[in-house]
Amino acid sequence: AQSVTQLDSQVPVFEEAPVELRCNYSSSVSVYLFWYVQYPNQGLQLLLKYLSGSTLVKGINGFEAEFNKSQTSFHLRKPSVHISDTAEYFCAVSDQGGNEKLTFGTGTRLTIIP
Amino acid sequence: DAGVIQSPRHEVTEMGQEVTLRCKPISGHDYLFWYRQTMMRGLELLIYFNNNVPIDDSGMPEDRFSAKMPNASFSTLKIQPSEPRDSAVYFCASSLGAGLYGYTFGSGTRLTVV
Repeated sequence: AQSVTQLDSQVPVFEEAPVELRCNYSSSVSVYLFWYVQYPNQGLQLLLKYLSGSTLVKGINGFEAEFNKSQTSFHLRKPSVHISDTAEYFCAVSDQGGNEKLTFGTGTRLTIIP
Repeated sequence: DAGVIQSPRHEVTEMGQEVTLRCKPISGHDYLFWYRQTMMRGLELLIYFNNNVPIDDSGMPEDRFSAKMPNASFSTLKIQPSEPRDSAVYFCASSLGAGLYGYTFGSGTRLTVV
Protein backbone atom coordinates (compact mmCIF):
# COMPACT_ATOMS: atom_id res chain seq x y z
CA ALA A 1 0.00 0.00 0.00
CA GLN A 2 1.08 3.54 -0.65
CA SER A 3 0.92 6.65 1.46
CA VAL A 4 1.45 10.34 0.76
CA THR A 5 2.62 13.01 3.18
CA GLN A 6 2.19 16.69 2.58
CA LEU A 7 4.03 18.23 5.47
CA ASP A 8 2.70 21.76 5.09
CA SER A 9 -1.01 22.25 5.59
CA GLN A 10 -0.77 25.97 4.79
CA VAL A 11 1.79 27.99 2.84
CA PRO A 12 1.55 31.79 2.63
CA VAL A 13 3.65 33.40 -0.12
CA PHE A 14 4.00 36.93 -1.38
CA GLU A 15 2.91 37.61 -4.94
CA GLU A 16 5.70 37.13 -7.51
CA ALA A 17 7.80 35.14 -5.00
CA PRO A 18 8.78 31.51 -5.68
CA VAL A 19 7.02 28.64 -3.93
CA GLU A 20 7.69 24.99 -3.22
CA LEU A 21 5.00 22.63 -1.94
CA ARG A 22 6.42 19.45 -0.49
CA CYS A 23 5.22 15.91 -1.09
CA ASN A 24 6.76 12.67 0.11
CA TYR A 25 5.43 9.23 -0.62
CA SER A 26 5.90 5.71 0.61
CA SER A 27 5.51 2.61 -1.56
CA SER A 28 7.04 -0.83 -1.92
CA VAL A 29 6.70 -0.69 -5.71
CA SER A 30 7.33 1.80 -8.49
CA VAL A 31 4.78 4.56 -8.63
CA TYR A 32 3.04 7.16 -10.74
CA LEU A 33 2.78 10.59 -9.14
CA PHE A 34 0.28 13.40 -9.58
CA TRP A 35 -0.42 16.94 -8.42
CA TYR A 36 -3.96 18.24 -8.41
CA VAL A 37 -5.21 21.77 -7.76
CA GLN A 38 -8.57 22.67 -6.24
CA TYR A 39 -9.77 26.26 -6.64
CA PRO A 40 -12.45 27.49 -4.24
CA ASN A 41 -15.80 25.80 -4.77
CA GLN A 42 -14.51 23.65 -7.60
CA GLY A 43 -13.45 20.05 -8.16
CA LEU A 44 -9.87 18.86 -8.36
CA GLN A 45 -8.02 19.52 -11.60
CA LEU A 46 -4.92 17.68 -12.79
CA LEU A 47 -1.89 19.96 -12.66
CA LEU A 48 0.81 17.54 -13.78
CA LYS A 49 1.89 13.92 -13.55
CA TYR A 50 5.03 11.81 -13.53
CA LEU A 51 4.87 8.44 -15.25
CA SER A 52 8.46 7.74 -16.31
CA GLY A 53 11.44 9.30 -18.04
CA SER A 54 12.62 12.81 -17.22
CA THR A 55 12.34 13.50 -13.52
CA LEU A 56 11.37 17.14 -14.12
CA VAL A 57 7.77 17.41 -15.14
CA LYS A 58 6.11 20.58 -16.39
CA GLY A 59 2.43 21.24 -15.88
CA ILE A 60 -0.18 23.87 -16.45
CA ASN A 61 -0.04 27.45 -15.16
CA GLY A 62 3.76 27.50 -14.94
CA PHE A 63 4.07 24.78 -12.31
CA GLU A 64 6.67 22.04 -12.39
CA ALA A 65 7.59 19.14 -10.14
CA GLU A 66 10.68 17.02 -9.70
CA PHE A 67 10.63 13.31 -8.96
CA ASN A 68 13.39 12.22 -6.61
CA LYS A 69 13.37 8.47 -6.18
CA SER A 70 16.11 8.33 -3.54
CA GLN A 71 14.26 10.81 -1.36
CA THR A 72 10.82 9.50 -2.34
CA SER A 73 9.70 13.06 -3.01
CA PHE A 74 7.72 14.87 -5.67
CA HIS A 75 7.84 18.55 -4.72
CA LEU A 76 5.86 21.13 -6.67
CA ARG A 77 7.45 24.46 -7.61
CA LYS A 78 6.63 27.71 -9.31
CA PRO A 79 9.21 30.48 -9.79
CA SER A 80 6.74 33.36 -9.47
CA VAL A 81 3.23 33.04 -8.06
CA HIS A 82 0.14 35.08 -8.84
CA ILE A 83 -2.99 35.86 -6.88
CA SER A 84 -4.82 33.39 -9.10
CA ASP A 85 -2.69 30.54 -7.75
CA THR A 86 -4.53 30.73 -4.42
CA ALA A 87 -5.94 27.21 -4.07
CA GLU A 88 -5.49 23.88 -2.35
CA TYR A 89 -2.94 21.52 -3.83
CA PHE A 90 -3.06 17.75 -3.49
CA CYS A 91 -0.31 15.26 -4.18
CA ALA A 92 -1.38 11.73 -5.16
CA VAL A 93 0.26 8.39 -5.93
CA SER A 94 -0.67 5.12 -7.57
CA ASP A 95 1.44 2.04 -8.07
CA GLN A 96 2.58 0.85 -11.48
CA GLY A 97 1.27 -2.61 -10.85
CA GLY A 98 -2.18 -1.86 -12.15
CA ASN A 99 -3.77 -0.56 -8.96
CA GLU A 100 -6.37 1.85 -10.25
CA LYS A 101 -6.77 3.73 -6.97
CA LEU A 102 -5.05 7.02 -6.30
CA THR A 103 -3.93 7.72 -2.76
CA PHE A 104 -4.19 11.42 -1.96
CA GLY A 105 -2.31 13.54 0.53
CA THR A 106 -4.11 15.80 2.96
CA GLY A 107 -3.54 18.90 0.84
CA THR A 108 -1.62 22.17 1.13
CA ARG A 109 -3.48 25.45 1.12
CA LEU A 110 -1.49 28.03 -0.83
CA THR A 111 -2.34 31.63 0.00
CA ILE A 112 -0.86 34.43 -2.07
CA ILE A 113 -0.27 37.69 -0.26
CA PRO A 114 -0.57 40.82 -2.44
CA ASP B 1 -16.50 16.46 -23.93
CA ALA B 2 -18.45 18.16 -21.14
CA GLY B 3 -16.40 16.45 -18.46
CA VAL B 4 -17.79 14.69 -15.41
CA ILE B 5 -21.23 16.07 -14.65
CA GLN B 6 -22.69 16.02 -11.15
CA SER B 7 -26.12 17.07 -9.99
CA PRO B 8 -27.34 18.83 -8.04
CA ARG B 9 -24.57 21.36 -7.27
CA HIS B 10 -26.12 22.14 -3.91
CA GLU B 11 -28.54 20.18 -1.79
CA VAL B 12 -30.07 21.19 1.51
CA THR B 13 -32.21 18.62 3.24
CA GLU B 14 -33.64 17.87 6.64
CA MET B 15 -32.29 15.14 8.85
CA GLY B 16 -33.95 11.83 8.12
CA GLN B 17 -34.69 12.56 4.48
CA GLU B 18 -33.36 10.53 1.57
CA VAL B 19 -30.74 12.20 -0.60
CA THR B 20 -29.67 11.09 -4.07
CA LEU B 21 -26.58 12.45 -5.76
CA ARG B 22 -26.01 11.86 -9.45
CA CYS B 23 -23.00 11.53 -11.69
CA LYS B 24 -22.41 11.21 -15.41
CA PRO B 25 -18.83 10.13 -16.16
CA ILE B 26 -16.83 10.96 -19.26
CA SER B 27 -17.82 8.73 -22.15
CA GLY B 28 -15.38 5.85 -22.56
CA HIS B 29 -14.04 6.01 -19.00
CA ASP B 30 -14.40 2.62 -17.37
CA TYR B 31 -13.67 3.62 -13.78
CA LEU B 32 -15.91 5.74 -11.58
CA PHE B 33 -15.07 6.95 -8.08
CA TRP B 34 -17.13 8.62 -5.35
CA TYR B 35 -15.31 10.82 -2.84
CA ARG B 36 -16.39 12.84 0.16
CA GLN B 37 -14.52 15.96 1.26
CA THR B 38 -14.78 17.60 4.67
CA MET B 39 -12.54 19.98 6.57
CA MET B 40 -11.99 17.43 9.32
CA ARG B 41 -11.30 14.32 7.24
CA GLY B 42 -10.11 15.68 3.90
CA LEU B 43 -10.77 13.56 0.80
CA GLU B 44 -12.21 10.13 1.50
CA LEU B 45 -12.76 7.47 -1.15
CA LEU B 46 -16.21 6.00 -0.59
CA ILE B 47 -16.56 3.49 -3.42
CA TYR B 48 -15.38 2.84 -6.94
CA PHE B 49 -16.66 0.94 -9.95
CA ASN B 50 -14.99 -0.72 -12.91
CA ASN B 51 -17.21 -1.39 -15.93
CA ASN B 52 -20.27 -0.65 -13.77
CA VAL B 53 -19.31 -3.24 -11.15
CA PRO B 54 -18.51 -2.10 -7.58
CA ILE B 55 -14.92 -3.05 -6.82
CA ASP B 56 -14.24 -1.57 -3.41
CA ASP B 57 -16.86 -0.12 -1.09
CA SER B 58 -14.79 -0.28 2.07
CA GLY B 59 -14.96 3.48 2.42
CA MET B 60 -18.75 3.65 2.60
CA PRO B 61 -19.40 4.94 6.13
CA GLU B 62 -22.34 2.73 7.01
CA ASP B 63 -25.44 1.05 5.70
CA ARG B 64 -27.18 4.37 5.23
CA PHE B 65 -24.98 4.91 2.17
CA SER B 66 -25.48 3.03 -1.08
CA ALA B 67 -24.17 3.52 -4.60
CA LYS B 68 -25.22 2.11 -7.94
CA MET B 69 -24.03 2.25 -11.51
CA PRO B 70 -26.82 0.84 -13.69
CA ASN B 71 -24.96 1.67 -16.91
CA ALA B 72 -21.72 3.18 -18.17
CA SER B 73 -23.08 6.71 -18.26
CA PHE B 74 -24.77 7.09 -14.89
CA SER B 75 -24.15 6.54 -11.20
CA THR B 76 -25.98 7.47 -8.02
CA LEU B 77 -24.96 7.83 -4.41
CA LYS B 78 -27.86 7.59 -1.99
CA ILE B 79 -28.03 8.43 1.69
CA GLN B 80 -31.04 7.18 3.61
CA PRO B 81 -31.72 8.45 6.21
CA SER B 82 -29.47 11.50 6.10
CA GLU B 83 -27.83 12.93 9.22
CA PRO B 84 -26.14 16.29 9.92
CA ARG B 85 -22.71 14.60 10.00
CA ASP B 86 -23.20 13.66 6.34
CA SER B 87 -22.83 17.33 5.41
CA ALA B 88 -19.87 17.52 3.02
CA VAL B 89 -18.93 18.02 -0.60
CA TYR B 90 -19.33 14.81 -2.59
CA PHE B 91 -17.20 14.40 -5.70
CA CYS B 92 -17.52 11.98 -8.53
CA ALA B 93 -14.49 11.21 -10.71
CA SER B 94 -13.93 9.01 -13.74
CA SER B 95 -10.86 7.54 -15.34
CA LEU B 96 -9.57 5.29 -18.10
CA GLY B 97 -7.41 3.64 -15.45
CA ALA B 98 -6.18 5.84 -12.65
CA GLY B 99 -2.69 4.37 -12.47
CA LEU B 100 -1.65 5.91 -15.73
CA TYR B 101 -4.20 8.60 -16.52
CA GLY B 102 -5.26 10.03 -13.20
CA TYR B 103 -8.83 11.07 -12.54
CA THR B 104 -11.14 13.69 -13.97
CA PHE B 105 -13.28 15.17 -11.21
CA GLY B 106 -16.73 16.66 -11.36
CA SER B 107 -17.54 19.99 -9.72
CA GLY B 108 -19.06 18.29 -6.70
CA THR B 109 -22.33 18.38 -4.80
CA ARG B 110 -22.37 20.39 -1.60
CA LEU B 111 -24.72 18.60 0.78
CA THR B 112 -26.06 20.29 3.87
CA VAL B 113 -28.22 18.27 6.26
CA VAL B 114 -30.03 20.38 8.84
